[in-house]
Amino acid sequence: SQQGEEDPQALSIQEGENATMNCSYKTSINNLQWYRQNSGRGLVHLILIRSNEREKHSGRLRVTLDTSKKSSSLLITASRAADTASYFCATDAGANNLFFGTGTRLTVIP
Amino acid sequence: EAGVVQSPRYKIIEKKQPVAFWCNPISGHNTLYWYRQNLGQGPELLIRYENEEAVDDSQLPKDRFSAERLKGVDSTLKIQPAELGDSAVYLCASSSPGTRRYEQYFGPGTRLTVT
Repeated sequence: SQQGEEDPQALSIQEGENATMNCSYKTSINNLQWYRQNSGRGLVHLILIRSNEREKHSGRLRVTLDTSKKSSSLLITASRAADTASYFCATDAGANNLFFGTGTRLTVIP
Repeated sequence: EAGVVQSPRYKIIEKKQPVAFWCNPISGHNTLYWYRQNLGQGPELLIRYENEEAVDDSQLPKDRFSAERLKGVDSTLKIQPAELGDSAVYLCASSSPGTRRYEQYFGPGTRLTVT
């Protein structure tokens, strides 16, 4: 069964705009990760945030985590056409087993 | 550094036939995972290996699926017999011990079509 649920399911924006996608999960976690998947490069790890962290940055990515609400968000700033992909959140309860959400399909229009 | 290698990339078989997928993880990665990804969904864990030992196979349908990781390196996932509902992408991932052990590296996957 899948633990996370991403919202929205699909998002279409113009190049240069920011993209925000959200993830909700059900049980306690050790960490939460975001992955990107496109046909060219497969599934790639983007960023990890631990349960005791509230915000993390990596380049144009910003991730927040609210454990009280069991939710996370991924912000991609100044989007590029190359950011077009599906984005998945994945939760780890501490056993190194990841439970992936259903994904957000992002389309960045040049 | 070479990534996770999987073969074949595509496989089309008729139902009730057997099929096998092979995975070679990144060198030095002692943890290996097999996932199944249905169309429009996220990957779902089937089995996790720590070296040669299957430490979590609770999601593996054991009536028709089997896996092995001889010598703690390469791994093979087998389905026998395949059913129509097994059509999916089968992903292999690996991770290393140490500070980045939570980050998984995925292979390109094997797309299985059962007709």
